Amino acid sequence: NAGVTQTPKFQVLKTGQSMTLQCAQDMNHEYMSWYRQDPGMGLRLIHYSVGAGITDQGEVPNGYNVSRSTTEDFPLRLLSAAPSQTSVYFCASSYRSGAEAFFGQGTRLTVV
Amino acid sequence: GESVGLHLPTLSVQEGDNSIINCAYSNSASDYFIWYKQESGKGPQFIIDIRSNMDKRQGQRVTVLLNKTVKHLSLQIAATQPGDSAVYFCAEVQGTYKYIFGTGTRLKVLA
Repeated sequence: NAGVTQTPKFQVLKTGQSMTLQCAQDMNHEYMSWYRQDPGMGLRLIHYSVGAGITDQGEVPNGYNVSRSTTEDFPLRLLSAAPSQTSVYFCASSYRSGAEAFFGQGTRLTVV
Repeated sequence: GESVGLHLPTLSVQEGDNSIINCAYSNSASDYFIWYKQESGKGPQFIIDIRSNMDKRQGQRVTVLLNKTVKHLSLQIAATQPGDSAVYFCAEVQGTYKYIFGTGTRLKVLA
């Protein structure tokens, strides 16, 4: 049972480039979400999904897009990377609302 | 290096002693609380949770206390071990799917 798997683990982008952070879970969880973690700040919610085909914005959605075509996958797209998006990104899933969230290992993104 | 831990309050504890990590939460309507442990270079890991209808919950070597009057949560770790060194943070869950995470406390276990 792999849990929540994120790829890549590390990425360096140039300003203006686009890329997709991948997230997959094999626990059949309905709820999935993306967070960013910056020094001195708590995890901040970017986007979340309560099921396949349903997504919604979190606290800091600007500059990011998501889609949820399957229960297992929840990719995060950066359309035009900016240095302010340098951060560690975590994907999480839970089997229902108000339940513990399981986190992936994170993607450390640097935008230069 | 570990950039997540920068600027965080640090608790230094002697190995074998008990640790108490505190967290203040924001919303009196929050009905579920979780403590997470985050080791360097890893994602947060679930430690223990508590519902708002409880004051205390115990796990293996860990206890969570909830004081709803002052909106305060604490995590107690008994007989702290070197493997407990990490950043610990609480999360409050509001409504359907809104997790609010604290900034965290770094626990350093001294040999």
